Amino acid sequence: QKEVEQNSGPLSVPEGAIASLNCTYSDRGSQSFFWYRQYSGKSPELIMFIYSNGDKEDGRFTAQLNTASQYVSLLIRDSQPSDSATYLCAVNLPFTGFQKLVFGTGTRLLVSP
Amino acid sequence: GAVVSQHPSRVICKSGTSVKIECRSLDFQATTMFWYRQFPKKSLMLMATSNEGSKATYEQGVEKDKFLINHASLTLSTLTVTSAHPEDSSFYICSARDLGSSYEQYFGPGTRLTVT
Repeated sequence: QKEVEQNSGPLSVPEGAIASLNCTYSDRGSQSFFWYRQYSGKSPELIMFIYSNGDKEDGRFTAQLNTASQYVSLLIRDSQPSDSATYLCAVNLPFTGFQKLVFGTGTRLLVSP
Repeated sequence: GAVVSQHPSRVICKSGTSVKIECRSLDFQATTMFWYRQFPKKSLMLMATSNEGSKATYEQGVEKDKFLINHASLTLSTLTVTSAHPEDSSFYICSARDLGSSYEQYFGPGTRLTVT
């Protein structure tokens, strides 16, 4: 089992819909979870982080963490074509001393006008 | 806030030469910086962790003599690709962790290296 898993997609949603991106992680001791957005040819941009169970909202983005089920999700409301990108889930894993991020392979999101 | 710069953004060099890439945290201090490489349509691969004032920690399979890392100050880390070969062509990205924050990492814009 990979340490951080994501569906590679593409996930296609129409403009204005809610996009739901999911990520599972293997180590129950993980404490910090991050969502990065990466446009083609560009570097990742941090859009959300969450450290405690539950929901965290920031504008159109909501991160949801469920430590019992070991998954973290990102909801994008009112999706726009400009949201089309690859979304990377990253986790600080205990075995690295919480120093390093382990990334999933990313989910490609396509928002059609 | 949390801006990280990289220079150069793009570089083309000949086989056998060395290339230095700089990573700077512009508005915060970073005790820890990270160097990644990314191949087309692949995820990020961590190469090394760079701590200010100490030797870098390299990931398994990454040659430390080929990829020299120096973290001389709280705002600057450099990666030197020595004796570059075409297989070193890649997108190199640094990230930095804010001394004052928890675990968030902020990425630089990346350097696209092409070795001919």
